[in-house]
Amino acid sequence: EVVLTQSPGTLSLSPGERATLSCRASQSFTRSSLAWYQQKPGQAPRLLIFATTSRAAGIPDRFRGSGSGTDFTLTITSLEPEDFAVYYCQQYGDSQTFGQGTRVEVK
Amino acid sequence: QLQLQESGPGLVKPSETLSLTCTVSGGSISSNIFFWGWIRQPPGKGLEWIGSIHNTGNTYFNSSLKSRVTISLDTSKNQFSLKMSSMTAEDTAVYYCTTQQWLALFVSWGQGTLVTVSS
Repeated sequence: EVVLTQSPGTLSLSPGERATLSCRASQSFTRSSLAWYQQKPGQAPRLLIFATTSRAAGIPDRFRGSGSGTDFTLTITSLEPEDFAVYYCQQYGDSQTFGQGTRVEVK
Repeated sequence: QLQLQESGPGLVKPSETLSLTCTVSGGSISSNIFFWGWIRQPPGKGLEWIGSIHNTGNTYFNSSLKSRVTISLDTSKNQFSLKMSSMTAEDTAVYYCTTQQWLALFVSWGQGTLVTVSS
């Protein structure tokens, strides 16, 4: 099973700042098969990014995915108030597994 | 736009079988576009894929849960269902039904239903 480790566990930032979230895989999987989801309290997750870099429909361009091999990054270039949430990475190249999440909180 | 709604008991006794149903509206469960999946999330924890089904009836499961899980379709009711046997306290979680594109991306989600395993 591909284990995804997200870091940091919590990111404390202010609106307008840049957020950089990491997702590291225990082994390589089918190329580019990585997605990111956002989850707000009491809500279901929402797909943000798929195929490492592609934004889902309606997702603002401040959300940017990058990476390759076993190291992937979600960058939020300038945090808006509605971006404070928990973010999960998911690989779907070898079955499918999720990371444990990174919480982005208001500093 | 597809909408999904989970239904089922909020409380299950240890060793019993959980049965959940997902009712789909705004589209047909017979569509070839999507797989229909279940994901769970223990309180305060991360997401775990349980399994998925295609309209052909082909099923796909998380290997760690496969021996306990059944997923089925009811096209006459536009529903799909999850059964999970031998429930324990570790199975306490919010259970989500989802649409899954290409057996990969979880695109649409139900609101989730909390299932507590307790005597």
